[in-house]
Amino acid sequence: SAVISQKPSRDICQRGTSLTIQCQVDSQVTMMFWYRQQPGQSLTLIATANQGSEATYESGFVIDKFPISRPNLTFSTLTVSNMSPEDSSIYLCSAKGGTGDTEAFFGQGTRLTVV
Amino acid sequence: AQSVTQPDIHITVSEGASLELRCNYSYGATPYLFWYVQSPGQGLQLLLKYFSGDTLVQGIKGFEAEFKRSQSSFNLRKPSVHWSDAAEYFCAVGARNTGGFKTIFGAGTRLFVKA
Repeated sequence: SAVISQKPSRDICQRGTSLTIQCQVDSQVTMMFWYRQQPGQSLTLIATANQGSEATYESGFVIDKFPISRPNLTFSTLTVSNMSPEDSSIYLCSAKGGTGDTEAFFGQGTRLTVV
Repeated sequence: AQSVTQPDIHITVSEGASLELRCNYSYGATPYLFWYVQSPGQGLQLLLKYFSGDTLVQGIKGFEAEFKRSQSSFNLRKPSVHWSDAAEYFCAVGARNTGGFKTIFGAGTRLFVKA
């Protein structure tokens, strides 16, 4: 299984600012994902982070609001741009290992509060 | 489109009692099915998974789940619950599509354990 580290673990941000969350995996993985978990809710997939190309966004999420980078097979970032209180959530990085792997592994998450 | 339904928002059981968490899925082909657990302030940990083979799957921490194709269900069970099992449990379905491999989560069931 892959070990996934996210930074920061939590942050409190002013509305209108941006925050970049980093996700580091301890081994090369084929796929990386970003999820949002709003208070008391389940996980919603934001996008699939593609290595060397633009991320694939799910319905309701756009690149201008959630730009994603994935420069290599072990690292990705998610930026939450122009934040509002509605963006207060836990943001989780996830990775799937080899081509034959089916389960996703998760980081501890980043708890974001926008004030 | 694939989806996951967890009918119970929360369940309370006594320590030492048996547990069953319900999960129903919708998917056109044979699905990849997962159960994850999320303790407060933590990321998600994989309990068990199913894709093929024996329909009764053993997982970590004494959990098991049974795949029933006729009922489109993948219920999670544990014969004797421990206080440390109190957490949020997510059923998930994994599916391949043109965008790659995605994991779709149910709404979650919060388990409370009483002494």
